[in-house]
Amino acid sequence: GNSVTQMEGPVTLSEEAFLTINCTYTATGYPSLFWYVQYPGEGLQLLLKATKADDKGSNKGFEATYRKETTSFHLEKGSVQVSDSAVYFCALSLTSRSGGSNYKLTFGKGTLLTVNP
Amino acid sequence: NAGVTQTPKFRILKIGQSMTLQCAQDMNHNYMYWYRQDPGMGLKLIYYSVGAGITDKGEVPNGYNVSRSTTEDFPLRLELAAPSQTSVYFCASSHGQGASPLHFGNGTRLTVT
Repeated sequence: GNSVTQMEGPVTLSEEAFLTINCTYTATGYPSLFWYVQYPGEGLQLLLKATKADDKGSNKGFEATYRKETTSFHLEKGSVQVSDSAVYFCALSLTSRSGGSNYKLTFGKGTLLTVNP
Repeated sequence: NAGVTQTPKFRILKIGQSMTLQCAQDMNHNYMYWYRQDPGMGLKLIYYSVGAGITDKGEVPNGYNVSRSTTEDFPLRLELAAPSQTSVYFCASSHGQGASPLHFGNGTRLTVT
């Protein structure tokens, strides 16, 4: 079956530190990959996505590159801020050969990031 | 632009009671979903719908029911609440095709005692 494994949290960093949250996946077919972020008391919102191998998704200073050879989609940010404190979820959805989508997301367990001033 | 609206925000139920979690979206999305989020477990899909009148089970449908009479609304029904249903419930919607993102509501925190 399809699955997403992301690094266990919690992760605690100081402001301006470098962030990496690892994510690996197992999937049949041609997955699209996503990072969602959940701020305290809110629902999830899309942070970035990549739909094919070697694509790089980026948003708000965060980046992730779709690596088919290592089945990974690690999230990185060069300099985190206190406002980045949140739970980060890696997720995948499948697209069939014909281009239709599986349209259901498979989520990792989430990684809690706390950034201290 | 309201997006996805869930009500109520919080609810406490006694074992055996029933309730309906409401979800409405104003983006004319065909696809809607219900997830539950348990601590350290990520999100699990309960039910989903690809359009009005069509619903299907997700990973963890037992103890729940849904209906989709309109494009906008996708209520989730708990008939006989059990402590195992204590969780945070999220409704989401999307265009559904390709890599279209999910738009989430702010969640309903349910406690069953």
